[in-house]
Amino acid sequence: GAGVSQSPSNKVTEKGKDVELRCDPISGHTALYWYRQSLGQGLEFLIYFQGNSAPDKSGLPSDRFSAERTGGSVSTLTIQRTQQEDSAVYLCASSFSPSPIYEQYFGPGTRLTVT
Amino acid sequence: DAKTTQPNSMESNEEEPVHLPCNHSTISGTDYIHWYRQLPSQGPEYVIHGLTSNVNNRMASLAIAEDRKSSTLILHRATLRDAAVYYCILRDSGTSYGKLTFGQGTILTVHP
Repeated sequence: GAGVSQSPSNKVTEKGKDVELRCDPISGHTALYWYRQSLGQGLEFLIYFQGNSAPDKSGLPSDRFSAERTGGSVSTLTIQRTQQEDSAVYLCASSFSPSPIYEQYFGPGTRLTVT
Repeated sequence: DAKTTQPNSMESNEEEPVHLPCNHSTISGTDYIHWYRQLPSQGPEYVIHGLTSNVNNRMASLAIAEDRKSSTLILHRATLRDAAVYYCILRDSGTSYGKLTFGQGTILTVHP
């Protein structure tokens, strides 16, 4: 079946511009997670959605970062006024449930480069 | 969150078994032991998980120590495609909402 998809696969933007990254989770998965992977920080959690609600936003690095999820499905991560330190691979994952008995399925990621 | 300790790197030859260790001395009774791997230029992928008993699936086996303070991921016959970073992660069933906390992982190199 279809896995987690993300778009765009690559995004190059100028410092100060806003960007939107999209995630399409596996159908029926209620839990959705955003992570990012940068050279200096490794893989780090950003935000968790259960349905359309985000009970855990503790990993968002600043108020320039926001995310939403609609219809219990598609999620968008928005970064406003991008900075060079935002350059990273942004990964989305979905799971049937947040319970640890279920695995997370990751998308291929969006590579963001801020110039 | 309980932390895990893994060797930075390991090497293996193709078609030989590989044993990847993980120490988690502060594990709690409700923590599940998960393993994910990340192949070059790809997102992480789930490998296996367990709570107390040893587990087998089509990809690997997970051996969990009796006191649960360590575990070992076993790849029975390594292939070149198994070259990846392997992450050992503890996931509790409490209030962490299931988020994965990645450490540095073990870089596995497989030689032909």
